[in-house]
Amino acid sequence: GQNIDQPTEMTATEGAIVQINCTYQTSGFNGLFWYQQHAGEAPTFLSYNVLDGLEEKGRFSSFLSRSKGYSYLLLKELQMKDSASYLCASWDSNYQLIWGAGTKLIIKP
Amino acid sequence: ETGVTQTPRHLVMGMTNKKSLKCEQHLGHNAMYWYKQSAKKPLELMFVYNFKEQTENNSVPSRFSPECPNSSHLFLHLHTLQPEDSALYLCASSQEEAGLGGSPLHFGNGTRLTVT
Repeated sequence: GQNIDQPTEMTATEGAIVQINCTYQTSGFNGLFWYQQHAGEAPTFLSYNVLDGLEEKGRFSSFLSRSKGYSYLLLKELQMKDSASYLCASWDSNYQLIWGAGTKLIIKP
Repeated sequence: ETGVTQTPRHLVMGMTNKKSLKCEQHLGHNAMYWYKQSAKKPLELMFVYNFKEQTENNSVPSRFSPECPNSSHLFLHLHTLQPEDSALYLCASSQEEAGLGGSPLHFGNGTRLTVT
């Protein structure tokens, strides 16, 4: 079956760097998304990777390795407002969006 | 007003009630979606509409009935729900349906539904 795996919860310190991993097993691949969701709010789009490598957007970067079925989201200079859930989702060959259960990131002062 | 707006934000209903969730998008998008989000589970796609036509019904029970009168509005009609249907229901839109151009989903804040 198709599956996205990501850690359930992570804790990091304000000002530090954290890497949230995501592995996917899908029938075909057409790109991978990362979304941020604060408690009680809408998921918001962070990044989209379809080619191997690192995409940087300010404090956030996303990496993809298609051969390994692996992606990570890297958050630098962590701020308290980065406390949220981070959702990984992948398009399969039929452009069905397969979602992970999300990683809850807790930032401590 | 911009983005995707969902009403109500919270809804408590009994199993014999009938209620409707409303979603409106002001982004000029052509595709709209209903998702169910339960705690610690992946988002579950329920329905997809592209240019007002339903293109996906992900084996959703008939007690959930979608309606899309135009590209900007989407409803989810609820009747005789079960307690296990309690969840966050998210509406989303995208410029095109995935695969026809492909674009990120824009989500509303959701309706927190509790079935008693």
